[in-house]
Amino acid sequence: EDQVTQSPEALRLQEGESSSLNCSYTVSGLRGLFWYRQDPGKGPEFLFTLYSAGEEKEKERLKATLTKKESFLHITAPKPEDSATYLCAPVGGNKLTFGTGTQLKVEL
Amino acid sequence: ETGVTQSPTHLIKTRGQQVTLRCSSQSGHNTVSWYQQALGQGPQFIFQYYREEENGRGNFPPRFSGLQFPNYSSELNVNALELDDSALYLCASSLGQDRNTEAFFGQGTRLTVV
Repeated sequence: EDQVTQSPEALRLQEGESSSLNCSYTVSGLRGLFWYRQDPGKGPEFLFTLYSAGEEKEKERLKATLTKKESFLHITAPKPEDSATYLCAPVGGNKLTFGTGTQLKVEL
Repeated sequence: ETGVTQSPTHLIKTRGQQVTLRCSSQSGHNTVSWYQQALGQGPQFIFQYYREEENGRGNFPPRFSGLQFPNYSSELNVNALELDDSALYLCASSLGQDRNTEAFFGQGTRLTVV
């Protein structure tokens, strides 16, 4: 059975304090991995798709990387507006499995 | 270009009742997926529709059913509601039936079963 673990469950940062979120997975035949951002009570907002180990993508203060067993979402110099839950979802075969997310809070 | 829209945004139902949730897909998309998200959890895949046909189903009982229409909008129907069905129901649209294609979500419908 496909498994996805995100860590930490919650993270509190000061504005400007860089950090990384982890997504570890066990899936059969990885075909891609998605990162989404979700604000409370809203639907997930698409951030990145990574298709192969070694791939990296960047968007503003966010950079996503992928290895064969895990993905990282690096946040550089975060701002309060980056506060949200970040979800990863690997695709194994033709099945998409979401993790439970990392709840990020960025304080002034 | 219009995004994914869902209706209603909030709904309260009584245990044993039936509910229908609606989703309009993003312009140009022909695939709709439905997810259930309990509080503090990640979205759980219910099923996907591609060109009006069911194209994959998660671990949900048959009382969860759906439809996709020729304009690619979709409905999620849940019969015999249970208290545990209380959740945020999300619809996502994408182009093509491949699961590794980017999917874009609506704002969700918050269902409360009392």
